[in-house]
Amino acid sequence: DQQVKQNSPSLSVQEGRISILNCDYTNSMFDYFLWYKKYPAEGPTFLISISSIKDKNEDGRFTVFLNKSAKHLSLHIVPSQPGDSAVYFCAAPTSGTYKYIFGTGTRLKVLA
Amino acid sequence: SAVISQKPSRDICQRGTSLTIQCQVDSQVTMMFWYRQQPGQSLTLIATANQGSEATYESGFVIDKFPISRPNLTFSTLTVSNMSPEDSSIYLCSVVKDEKLFFGSGTQLSVL
Repeated sequence: DQQVKQNSPSLSVQEGRISILNCDYTNSMFDYFLWYKKYPAEGPTFLISISSIKDKNEDGRFTVFLNKSAKHLSLHIVPSQPGDSAVYFCAAPTSGTYKYIFGTGTRLKVLA
Repeated sequence: SAVISQKPSRDICQRGTSLTIQCQVDSQVTMMFWYRQQPGQSLTLIATANQGSEATYESGFVIDKFPISRPNLTFSTLTVSNMSPEDSSIYLCSVVKDEKLFFGSGTQLSVL
């Protein structure tokens, strides 16, 4: 059972435009969500998070939106830069544990 | 944040052999986690390594195949035993700080 889903395996965006990466979840007990970025031959690095008491969190060019009723979150990158080209994972910890469930990732390619 | 050193960064191994992956954290942590990312798939938790007690394995992973050591609060090893081509993956160690997972740079394992 895939509790966290990223249905788009890849996305290409022109430099300077907005990148929108989507993530859906099925477990209504999730109350905290994170986005990670992964470059080849490196471990994932934390990007931004959001608690379920909020519907938006912003950090520079990165904004995460949470729609609890739809069990959906999205990561917006504005403006997109070639250095943003990476695989992005959404994740959520199982309530009361340190077990993080990850989506399958979306490979973002920002074209110069 | 946490700085995690993981080695080796990559290895090519023969079927039936074993490989031990080392993970060093720059600060003391109670729990360390080992993840696996198979090609094109999500990150999956293998086990949680606690200092002074046996590791806790997730469903589908067993101690005989993935023995873990945790001799102190800053170090852990994961051994992939009796390897087969299906074990070809990226292996990642991680720790939790401030509700965020921090990862090592990963070990890219290829089994021939």
